Amino acid sequence: KQEVTQIPAALSVPEGENLVLNCSFTDSAIYNLQWFRQDPGKGLTSLLLIQSSQREQTSGRLNASLDKSSGRSTLYIAASQPGDSATYLCAPPNFGNEKLTFGTGTRLTIIP
Amino acid sequence: SAVISQKPSRDICQRGTSLTIQCQVDSQVTMMFWYRQQPGQSLTLIATANQGSEATYESGFVIDKFPISRPNLTFSTLTVSNMSPEDSSIYLCSATTGTGGYGYTFGSGTRLTVV
Repeated sequence: KQEVTQIPAALSVPEGENLVLNCSFTDSAIYNLQWFRQDPGKGLTSLLLIQSSQREQTSGRLNASLDKSSGRSTLYIAASQPGDSATYLCAPPNFGNEKLTFGTGTRLTIIP
Repeated sequence: SAVISQKPSRDICQRGTSLTIQCQVDSQVTMMFWYRQQPGQSLTLIATANQGSEATYESGFVIDKFPISRPNLTFSTLTVSNMSPEDSSIYLCSATTGTGGYGYTFGSGTRLTVV
């Protein structure tokens, strides 16, 4: 059974700093790994999808890396802004049944 | 990608009653899922909603408590039955348009409070 852990659980940084969120998973048999953002009381917004064959994927100020063999992914946020404040979740879909297993999440606060 | 309309967005219910949550997708999707997010926790999968047949439930979730319907490829409902305060959570539906782990979309969630 896939287990997904995210570190740190919470992070507060001043505006403008670069930061890294970590995700680890136990089962490396994955199609890809997805990063989502959740704003308080809201649904999820897809940020990045990194394929199992890729090592990196970029979208604007976001960069996700994937090391499938070691069961790790990181989300790098450059030049953080107050609008980046949210909970960030990683989720690898399971082979064959398309189910997403969500990590424990990192609650990010950017201080103006 | 598909857009999901989920309603109600929030509700306050008396213990012992039931609430039905609806999700309508603006295009046909292959799979739909229902999640629960307890206060301060991550998302836990309740079940996969199967079109035209019984839902597939995850360990710890049963049909009598969380009956699910999916009459077609764009619509699904989740009922939370015989509610207790422990059922107070956010419930979210999700859909995917293909295989291979692509194209996941989420509803905006239903915040349920049981008093």
